[in-house]
Amino acid sequence: EPEVTQTPSHQVTQMGQEVILRCVPISNHLYFYWYRQILGQKVEFLVSFYNNEISEKSEIFDDQFSVERPDGSNFTLKIRSTKLEDSAMYFCASSEVGPRSSYNSPLHFGNGTRLTVT
Amino acid sequence: GEDVEQSLFLSVREGDSSVINCTYTDSSSTYLYWYKQEPGAGLQLLTYIFSNMDMKQDQRLTVLLNKKDKHLSLRIADTQTGDSAIYFCAEGGATNKLIFGTGTLLAVQP
Repeated sequence: EPEVTQTPSHQVTQMGQEVILRCVPISNHLYFYWYRQILGQKVEFLVSFYNNEISEKSEIFDDQFSVERPDGSNFTLKIRSTKLEDSAMYFCASSEVGPRSSYNSPLHFGNGTRLTVT
Repeated sequence: GEDVEQSLFLSVREGDSSVINCTYTDSSSTYLYWYKQEPGAGLQLLTYIFSNMDMKQDQRLTVLLNKKDKHLSLRIADTQTGDSAIYFCAEGGATNKLIFGTGTLLAVQP
């Protein structure tokens, strides 16, 4: 069964450094998402992306964050200057179609990248 | 704002049924989802139900939805040790911005 893959599985970085988290969504999917889970807290929506632009973003997704689809297969999340509170598990997800289509296309998640900021 | 609540922990014996409960607040929810997370793994989609349905069955899994009470449950029949995991309830409305619950840790005792 096709799956969403994320690399690396674990990233350790120093405060103030830039990190790029990488994702390869399922190949025929058109909508892409990033969610995160701080240890002990709920999984939270960060951003959704379609047709090379952001569809929706949460309050968490401030100017330090950016997303990009640099080629036909990768979807990246960049954190420009990491803070201690950015430490979390970051999940990429994709769906075949978007939320306003005539049928449901549930989100499929990757295994996550655990980001540790020291 | 929207909120999804779940109990934190459930312990059952192998072979018994497990029932994991979830409540949500957003009355405009379109779909409700159950995801499973095993240690060190991602969020695996288990099943989902459209908000105009009351029940959905998929092999050992039964989802019940009480839209009036905004209550969702996941029943796992004949629970196995391999079912031990964290189970997340999530609701989605007009967008695919899912709101997740805290997750319920299911421990299956042999």
